[in-house]
Amino acid sequence: KNEVEQSPQNLTAQEGEFITINCSYSVGISALHWLQQHPGGGIVSLFMLSSGKKKHGRLIATINIQEKHSSLHITASHPRDSAVYICAVSWVSGGGADGLTFGKGTHLIIQP
Amino acid sequence: DSGVTQTPKHLITATGQRVTLRCSPRSGDLSVYWYQQSLDQGLQFLIQYYNGEERAKGNILERFSAQQFPDLHSELNLSSLELGDSALYFCASSVGTPNTQYFGPGTRLTVL
Repeated sequence: KNEVEQSPQNLTAQEGEFITINCSYSVGISALHWLQQHPGGGIVSLFMLSSGKKKHGRLIATINIQEKHSSLHITASHPRDSAVYICAVSWVSGGGADGLTFGKGTHLIIQP
Repeated sequence: DSGVTQTPKHLITATGQRVTLRCSPRSGDLSVYWYQQSLDQGLQFLIQYYNGEERAKGNILERFSAQQFPDLHSELNLSSLELGDSALYFCASSVGTPNTQYFGPGTRLTVL
């Protein structure tokens, strides 16, 4: 079964701390996505990666294809970063099928 | 605002009934995806359409069906509703595959 594992499930940190969330997957992928979901439900796409590293503001996402592993980092964390962060992948398949398989999410709370 | 619209925002109905959820993708996006988010199952991929054609099926029940119309909007039809169908239903769109998926605000379905 194709699976996506995230860790930690829950993370509470102090404002300013460096945050790392990890994601591993079982077989070859065409792309890995990091998503953010705030209370109230809306889902925002943060990154889509197929190799290397991407940076947007205080967020950095990396992927190691050989290790089948990705990390999401938040530098200088802030209470507004509190949300659920979700790793999702689209598996290698023919015909352009790329519905996502999701991890269970990491509940992040940043305390002032 | 992702540019993806979903209607209605909330829907309350009774077991055994049928409902239709509607999604309008971002301008120019050809791919539409439907996802279900429930407390016990998390986020699950239901179905993907590309330019009017079904491209991939995920964990979609036989009681559920979808279509994408020539103007690229999509509808998800849920019939013979059960209590367990209560969930948030998200639509997402992308310009192609694999590509960043932009999520709509979701429709919260409550089956009583």
